[in-house]
Amino acid sequence: DIQMTQSPSSLSASVGDRVTITCRASQGIRNDLGWYQQKPGKAPKRLIYAASSLQSGVPSRFSGSGSGTEFTLTISSLQPEDFATYYCLQHNSYPPKFGQGTKVEIK
Amino acid sequence: EVQLVESGGGLVQPGGSLRLSCAASGFTFSSYAMSWVRQAPGKGLEWVSAISGSGGSTYYADSVKGRFTISRDNSKNTLYLQMNSLRAEDTAVYYCAKDFQRQLTTFLIDYWGQGTLVTVSS
Repeated sequence: DIQMTQSPSSLSASVGDRVTITCRASQGIRNDLGWYQQKPGKAPKRLIYAASSLQSGVPSRFSGSGSGTEFTLTISSLQPEDFATYYCLQHNSYPPKFGQGTKVEIK
Repeated sequence: EVQLVESGGGLVQPGGSLRLSCAASGFTFSSYAMSWVRQAPGKGLEWVSAISGSGGSTYYADSVKGRFTISRDNSKNTLYLQMNSLRAEDTAVYYCAKDFQRQLTTFLIDYWGQGTLVTVSS
């Protein structure tokens, strides 16, 4: 099975900060990676698919990059509504696997 | 608009059974694979099971294999998860989720339901 290591597990940041979250796969997964945002008590929402393609309706301050084993989600200028937990998902091979999550908190 | 509405959660004793349902609308249900994903209280997301659009192929996480059965009724636009031999560690919110790609099982989720809580406790 492919394992996903997401880091950091949490971070504190201020509005306007640039934030980067990383996911590493235990073996190559091409660009078969998605990023999701989850707010407390709510279902996850997809932000990025195919590692770098922005889901329709998602603000352009979100971007994804990477291929193979290393991937990043970047928020270029953190907004108040971005404080949430973020997960990556590898779907290159069965079983699909989520990263452990990164909680983005207000500094 | 895609809508996924789960039902069937509740409190069940260890060793008991429960069947979850997910009513889908807003898309051609039979053309898309579907998944169940769960989240234990205060924990991360865990993929549980998936089924192809036709229902002919099913997939399970090792943690539930042999205990859970995924199925679908395309005439009713409904997805199911039959959960048997439930354990305390199965306690979680269970989300129904739609696959991104038409006619393929990619395991990439684009839409999620709001979830239904399953609590396994005596």
